[in-house]
Amino acid sequence: SQTIHQWPATLVQPVGSPLSLECTVEGTSNPNLYWYRQAAGRGLQLLFYSVGIGQISSEVPQNLSASRPQDRQFILSSKKLLLSDSGFYLCAWSPPPGTGELFFGEGSRLTVL
Amino acid sequence: AQSVTQLDSHVSVSEGTPVLLRCNYSSSYSPSLFWYVQHPNKGLQLLLKYTSAATLVKGINGFEAEFKKSETSFHLTKPSAHMSDAAEYFCVVSHNDYKLSFGAGTTVTVRA
Repeated sequence: SQTIHQWPATLVQPVGSPLSLECTVEGTSNPNLYWYRQAAGRGLQLLFYSVGIGQISSEVPQNLSASRPQDRQFILSSKKLLLSDSGFYLCAWSPPPGTGELFFGEGSRLTVL
Repeated sequence: AQSVTQLDSHVSVSEGTPVLLRCNYSSSYSPSLFWYVQHPNKGLQLLLKYTSAATLVKGINGFEAEFKKSETSFHLTKPSAHMSDAAEYFCVVSHNDYKLSFGAGTTVTVRA
């Protein structure tokens, strides 16, 4: 069966510090991968998605970047965090070629102070 | 463009009574529609999905939803609420194979 792992679960970082959130999927090949952000009391905002190694699509221009160095690994990064980067970050995958159904990780809560 | 509107930001029900969560969508073609549930500080879990087969879709935990094209609606129901149903619920429409649009969410509170 397929599983998705996301870490760290909780992170408290000062403004201006770097960020790295990691997500890996097991039990499938060539998944579509996604990073979403959920701000307090709001819905989900798609940040990045990837349909293959090295292929990243950005939905919202901002302080964040994403990379896919391996087929089942998706990394969300920032060189310098802003207060507005605080939120709940969710990694998700969908099987190719894509049915629209997403499988989510447990999320990473980031607090920038 | 595809989008969804969840008509209630918060729904409060008594345990054992029916739950109704309302969702309207807009789509330029026949959409795929989903309902997800999120418990506090957790990821989202798929409840059910509609992909142009039967208009009445049954999901997990006793939930079901009915696709009504004439009303562009995909309301989620459950005949009898349980305390464990307290969570946030998202209605979602698929743009294509890669992207989904999420509604703003409906928070469900269940009173004992």
